[in-house]
Amino acid sequence: GNSVTQMEGPVTLSEEAFLTINCTYTATGYPSLFWYVQYPGEGLQLLLKATKADDKGSNKGFEATYRKETTSFHLEKGSVQVSDSAVYFCARYMEYGNKLVFGAGTILRVKS
Amino acid sequence: DAGVTQSPTHLIKTRGQQVTLRCSPKSGHDTVSWYQQALGQGPQFIFQYYEEEERQRGNFPDRFSGHQFPNYSSELNVNALLLGDSALYLCASSTTGYHYGYTFGSGTRLTVV
Repeated sequence: GNSVTQMEGPVTLSEEAFLTINCTYTATGYPSLFWYVQYPGEGLQLLLKATKADDKGSNKGFEATYRKETTSFHLEKGSVQVSDSAVYFCARYMEYGNKLVFGAGTILRVKS
Repeated sequence: DAGVTQSPTHLIKTRGQQVTLRCSPKSGHDTVSWYQQALGQGPQFIFQYYEEEERQRGNFPDRFSGHQFPNYSSELNVNALLLGDSALYLCASSTTGYHYGYTFGSGTRLTVV
């Protein structure tokens, strides 16, 4: 199939802790992969992307590496802040349909 | 530079009614896609409009229809509303052929009672 699976949340961390949010995908070929973030009451914002295998996307201290061997695109950040509290969505581009397919989202809560 | 704007931000409708949601794409974008995000779920693709035509459609019933205008703005119409249609409706704009840069609006929160 063509799906995206994320680790279930909520993930609760203390400020400055290390963050990992797992994401795996199923697909034929190598689709472009994305992480979007949704702050409370807002729409989705593109956080980072990777368009081919072994690419690393990065933005605002977040990173994710496109791993074709494990069909994964895990999101990481070395030191989270309270302001990172949000819902994070992993997504893949689906050429058939010209659309994004999203995971269910992972709630991140960072405590000071 | 304004991003994607959606209106209204919130609305409440009764079962069986009809609703129209509106979206203005980011400047320079010509393609508009609509997504439905149920509470606690990821967004689900409804359909996409380009050159005033529906180009792609997700697994949604015909009660969901849309339109794109010559200025690239778009409307989403839902007829015969069901309680299950309660969700956040997101509009995303992009440039045809460039799928790396979807820009999302803040959404319209629809509640059906």
